[in-house]
Amino acid sequence: AQSVTQLDSQVPVFEEAPVELRCNYSSSVSVYLFWYVQYPNQGLQLLLKYLSGSTLVESINGFEAEFNKSQTSFHLRKPSVHISDTAEYFCAVSGGYNKLIFGAGTRLAVHP
Amino acid sequence: EPEVTQTPSHQVTQMGQEVILRCVPISNHLYFYWYRQILGQKVEFLVSFYNNEISEKSEIFDDQFSVERPDGSNFTLKIRSTKLEDSAMYFCASSVNRGGGSTDTQYFGPGTRLTVL
Repeated sequence: AQSVTQLDSQVPVFEEAPVELRCNYSSSVSVYLFWYVQYPNQGLQLLLKYLSGSTLVESINGFEAEFNKSQTSFHLRKPSVHISDTAEYFCAVSGGYNKLIFGAGTRLAVHP
Repeated sequence: EPEVTQTPSHQVTQMGQEVILRCVPISNHLYFYWYRQILGQKVEFLVSFYNNEISEKSEIFDDQFSVERPDGSNFTLKIRSTKLEDSAMYFCASSVNRGGGSTDTQYFGPGTRLTVL
């Protein structure tokens, strides 16, 4: 069975500071990994994904995540956050062909 | 930009009543999904649907639940006799393909908050 653990339920950070949201997964097979973001009162939006190839993946708004097979991790990072990054972030792994298995989410709160 | 839409945004019902949650997936997508998130808990997979039949379902998706694509645009989740523990946010998603390729990204709707009293 596959599972995802997000180690921090809440991460407070000041604007322009760096941030790392941690995600670990367990799987006995090859995985595809995703980060989704949920802004207040909105649905889940795909932020970035790892399917194969380069282990470092980037999003258009400055986030990046690195797939680390030996540590079974897919941590999300941003070197300088903005107030507008305040949201809930979900790490997910594809479990089989169809379903996504989500972590519990990390609430990122960016303070001025 | 095309998006998945869901109605209603909030549904309040009495225990034992039937509810139908509606979703309009992105028009060229072929795979459809329902997930739910009980307050304070993880987003959980319920069911996936392709070619007018269920392709996978979780243990949560028992006989009280059913899905349907009644026409070319809507995708519905029906709960026959709601229980208090069905209170949750229900998300619909759709994708072009499945299996991890570049076209299988699941796009999510904004969710329907179901409250069972």
